[in-house]
Amino acid sequence: AQKVTQAQTEISVVEKEDVTLDCVYETRDTTYYLFWYKQPPSGELVFLIRRNSFDEQNEISGRYSWNFQKSTSSFNFTITASQVVDSAVYFCALSDYNNDMRFGAGTRLTVKP
Amino acid sequence: DAGVTQSPTHLIKTRGQHVTLRCSPISGHKSVSWYQQVLGQGPQFIFQYYEKEERGRGNFPDRFSARQFPNYSSELNVNALLLGDSALYLCASSYGQEAYEQYFGPGTRLTVT
Repeated sequence: AQKVTQAQTEISVVEKEDVTLDCVYETRDTTYYLFWYKQPPSGELVFLIRRNSFDEQNEISGRYSWNFQKSTSSFNFTITASQVVDSAVYFCALSDYNNDMRFGAGTRLTVKP
Repeated sequence: DAGVTQSPTHLIKTRGQHVTLRCSPISGHKSVSWYQQVLGQGPQFIFQYYEKEERGRGNFPDRFSARQFPNYSSELNVNALLLGDSALYLCASSYGQEAYEQYFGPGTRLTVT
């Protein structure tokens, strides 16, 4: 069975601090996809990144970076120099080939000015 | 281009009633997936439809059903509503059946009283 664990329920930081959101996953599939989504107070899920199981390269996009490590089944997300606009709930998700996507419980990030 | 649209935005129903939620995918997208997001939790996969056929089903009772129309729009139907069905129902569209990046709609907030 597939499972995603986001152990951090809530994180609060002060603007300009770096913050890392943890994600640990479980799957028996050899081919799978990992995702991060942002859900601002408006409720709409915003796609941030997709990674397939064969691509372990870390990725950086502006202030965002992702660290994928198959050895520890982790796909962590770091925001550098956080801003108030980064405040949201962040979801890590795992999908098999058939698009059955499993989401973690989410981490609520609050960035204070 | 318009994103994924869902209607209605909000809905209040009574226990035992039936509800129909609607979703229009992004133009050119052939796959629609439905998710239920209970307050404080991550979205849970309900159905995926691709080319008008059901391609995936989550762990939901038979009271939940869906269909996809020739124009790729979709309806989610829930019969015999229970209080526990109160949630945000999200629709996501993607081009193909596989786990490409899904684009989510704003959701329909269903309240069952």
